[in-house]
Amino acid sequence: KNEVEQSPQNLTAQEGEFITINCSYSVGISALHWLQQHPGGGIVSLFMLSSGKKKHGRLIATINIQEKHSSLHITASHPRDSAVYICAVGVQGAQKLVFGQGTRLTINP
Amino acid sequence: DTGVSQDPRHKITKRGQNVTFRCDPISEHNRLYWYRQTLGQGPEFLTYFQNEAQLEKSRLLSDRFSAERPKGSFSTLEIQRTEQGDSAMYLCASSYQGPYSYEQYFGPGTRLTVT
Repeated sequence: KNEVEQSPQNLTAQEGEFITINCSYSVGISALHWLQQHPGGGIVSLFMLSSGKKKHGRLIATINIQEKHSSLHITASHPRDSAVYICAVGVQGAQKLVFGQGTRLTINP
Repeated sequence: DTGVSQDPRHKITKRGQNVTFRCDPISEHNRLYWYRQTLGQGPEFLTYFQNEAQLEKSRLLSDRFSAERPKGSFSTLEIQRTEQGDSAMYLCASSYQGPYSYEQYFGPGTRLTVT
């Protein structure tokens, strides 16, 4: 079993829909990261959080440390949100990130 | 551009050849990471440096792989005797390991195709 599991693996929605991507992890963490990867490979950090909730524009990330679960929400989704969204955790006591497999999001106009 | 840069962006090589990739981190960042990403998967950790010291290596990093960061600035990743299984995106990231932040900033990646 992977240390970081994301669901769903693929998600297709219509423009304007509310999107939720989930991430569960099984290790102790120092922080959890949500990353966005567009075709061509470049990865952009969206959020780094260790508790509670963060919001940036239409994106919201939450984390529940007790349940070892995080969610990424996108409100009023837009075709330009189409990308792969990756959850990664900084493992406690280590200096590396462990990544989920990613969620491929497609927003149709 | 003051972000992380990688060179080359694409490399096609024949099986058995050696390849070398370069990563230039954000200038004030003391930590540098290498990851490998195969198609449809999330990245996997390969190794990281703090300044010029290589502090951890994944067991994914076979003896055909070597990484250096000679002056604590840019880093190189060399793969000797490439195999088709080495085909992947090789990602570099850097961070400043201060007391409050270790957010990693990623480069655009080097896509390696071994034929």
